[in-house]
Amino acid sequence: EAGVTQFPSHSVIEKGQTVTLRCDPISGHDNLYWYRRVMGKEIKFLLHFVKESKQDESGMPNNRFLAERTGGTYSTLKVQPAELEDSGVYFCASSQEQGAIQETQYFGPGTRLLVL
Amino acid sequence: TQLLEQSPQFLSIQEGENLTVYCNSSSVFSSLQWYRQEPGEGPVLLVTVVTGGEVKKLKRLTFQFGDARKDSSLHITAAQPGDTGLYLCAGAYNQGGKLIFGQGTELSVKP
Repeated sequence: EAGVTQFPSHSVIEKGQTVTLRCDPISGHDNLYWYRRVMGKEIKFLLHFVKESKQDESGMPNNRFLAERTGGTYSTLKVQPAELEDSGVYFCASSQEQGAIQETQYFGPGTRLLVL
Repeated sequence: TQLLEQSPQFLSIQEGENLTVYCNSSSVFSSLQWYRQEPGEGPVLLVTVVTGGEVKKLKRLTFQFGDARKDSSLHITAAQPGDTGLYLCAGAYNQGGKLIFGQGTELSVKP
């Protein structure tokens, strides 16, 4: 079974440009999460999809970030326009069943974003 | 505000030594998870603890959840170079949903 995949693995862009990150969850997983780790800080939650619906987007930093999950399969996270402070590693995770006490989130390898 | 304080942030020890990593919070979690992350990869779940006072063992790793479900520890006995990596604790407030991560502990075990 394929794990969570993310594309691209690395992205270097200039301030003001747009970048779109993609996450393909494990097949059959309804829950999809986006997290981010900026330099020197802990991994922080961004948002949570259940199928195609946004369940919790309380961690989205501002309206420059737009996440979508059309059809409830893969998800994209677009940053427009990118700022220097957006640099970091963006992780996607998926899980099969929310509500289970021992829900396991499977993480992708992350996308390393550098905004210059 | 850091909701989950993890310490130490860096730990360098010799092979065969024991170590303990701590995660502390003023919040009560419904469950707490420990992850290990290798360079260039995402976090991989080691264990989930859900009951106050619970102790789980995974070979040389012992995980404990505090009685009040606000803190947890990871103890490694006789550390090996293969234990080198980033260890993360993460708490969940609800059954499922977003995880709150600690800052991580970068462990280096020298032969």
